[in-house]
Amino acid sequence: QLQLQESGPGLVKPSETLSLTCTVSGGSISSSHYYWGWIRQPPGKGLEWIGSIYYSGSTYYNPSLKSRVTILVDTSKNQFSLKLSSVTAADTAVYYCARAVRPMTTVTSWGQGTLVTVSS
Amino acid sequence: QSALTQPASVSGSPGQSITISCTGTSSDVGGYDYVSWYQQHPGKAPKLMIYDVSNRPSGVSNRFSGSKSGNTASLTISGLQAEDEADYYCSSPTSVSTGVFGGGTRLTVL
Repeated sequence: QLQLQESGPGLVKPSETLSLTCTVSGGSISSSHYYWGWIRQPPGKGLEWIGSIYYSGSTYYNPSLKSRVTILVDTSKNQFSLKLSSVTAADTAVYYCARAVRPMTTVTSWGQGTLVTVSS
Repeated sequence: QSALTQPASVSGSPGQSITISCTGTSSDVGGYDYVSWYQQHPGKAPKLMIYDVSNRPSGVSNRFSGSKSGNTASLTISGLQAEDEADYYCSSPTSVSTGVFGGGTRLTVL
């Protein structure tokens, strides 16, 4: 059964870069059928797509975050990663990694989520 | 892109049916047959309940159904059960190769 697990610091200082990794087990990240993405949810608020990546490296980003986001894939480790630069308190959220059947929609599998707090 | 519009809350009694709407534009909901719906219980990750407007993943109860008319998609839950109490989100691709969620609807089972 496919499992996704987020890892990374739970606390990031303002203006620094948030970095998270998603490790995929029970399936290959190189599958031609899926896209691998990041979604976040501020405390008490709704869901927001950050972006997604295909195993070939093609990326799709939320226009509102595009200037600060980088998503990379490492097929040798069956992992993909998120970097979000110049963070502020507004970036405090639970960050989910996910598997989708299209670039930024139809999520079939989710990680458990990890809370990242931006604070000095 | 703006979030899709959902009612903030809906409620129903056990055994009843409820419908949650999700309104977008011709650039998202109205332009694609790829609307999906997610259920999220407190402190948990969302779960896919409906994809491609009206299809249910394996293991999802047939009490959940989806439809679309124009720029509005709908999720209907029949035979409400206490376990259905959760937040529900719709999602759609957009014309600029991105995706957008609805603002979420809190379902209360009375």
